[in-house]
Amino acid sequence: DARVTQTPRHKVTEMGQEVTMRCQPILGHNTVFWYRQTMMQGLELLAYFRNRAPLDDSGMPKDRFSAEMPDATLATLKIQPSEPRDSAVYFCASGSYLTMSYTFGSGTRLTVV
Amino acid sequence: AQSVTQPDIHITVSEGASLELRCNYSYGATPYLFWYVQSPGQGLQLLLKYFSGDTLVQGIKGFEAEFKRSQSSFNLRKPSVHWSDAAEYFCAVGAQGTYKYIFGTGTRLKVLA
Repeated sequence: DARVTQTPRHKVTEMGQEVTMRCQPILGHNTVFWYRQTMMQGLELLAYFRNRAPLDDSGMPKDRFSAEMPDATLATLKIQPSEPRDSAVYFCASGSYLTMSYTFGSGTRLTVV
Repeated sequence: AQSVTQPDIHITVSEGASLELRCNYSYGATPYLFWYVQSPGQGLQLLLKYFSGDTLVQGIKGFEAEFKRSQSSFNLRKPSVHWSDAAEYFCAVGAQGTYKYIFGTGTRLKVLA
């Protein structure tokens, strides 16, 4: 089965450090999402790309978060500087905009100390 | 306001027993409805989806869901639960022409041997 690959799976970093999370969407999928999952907030949509163009990043704290898709095989989510409240599991998902069926990666568990 | 409610935070059933997980939605447009399952440490996996047509939808792993417009519900069912079904289940709603899901807060299923 085709998979969405996320790296790293786990990341522990100190407050103030830059964090980069990577996602390799399924080949041929034209839609990519970044979600954040916490116990308190559940699943939150951070960013949405279609055909590599960012169409919605209203869920991201703009001052510290940035999301890009430099090519069709790579999506990145950066946090600079990181803060303890950013500790969460970050999921990438890809799929078809037309079918609205999305495949999620296994996530990056981020801990900021 | 658009919303998805999963009234049960936790459900415990015995292996072999039947299961019903509840999902209610409030959505102005014609909804697209989804159920996802998340095993510990994993991403979300699509179980089934409803766009239109037959209101009883069959999914993977023996799950089914029924769309009831009059009750604004899309409950997930399984006739006989297996220990491997222990996971968290998320209901989500979207609509044609949009890209965002609205996720429910999830129901954590525990299966007793």
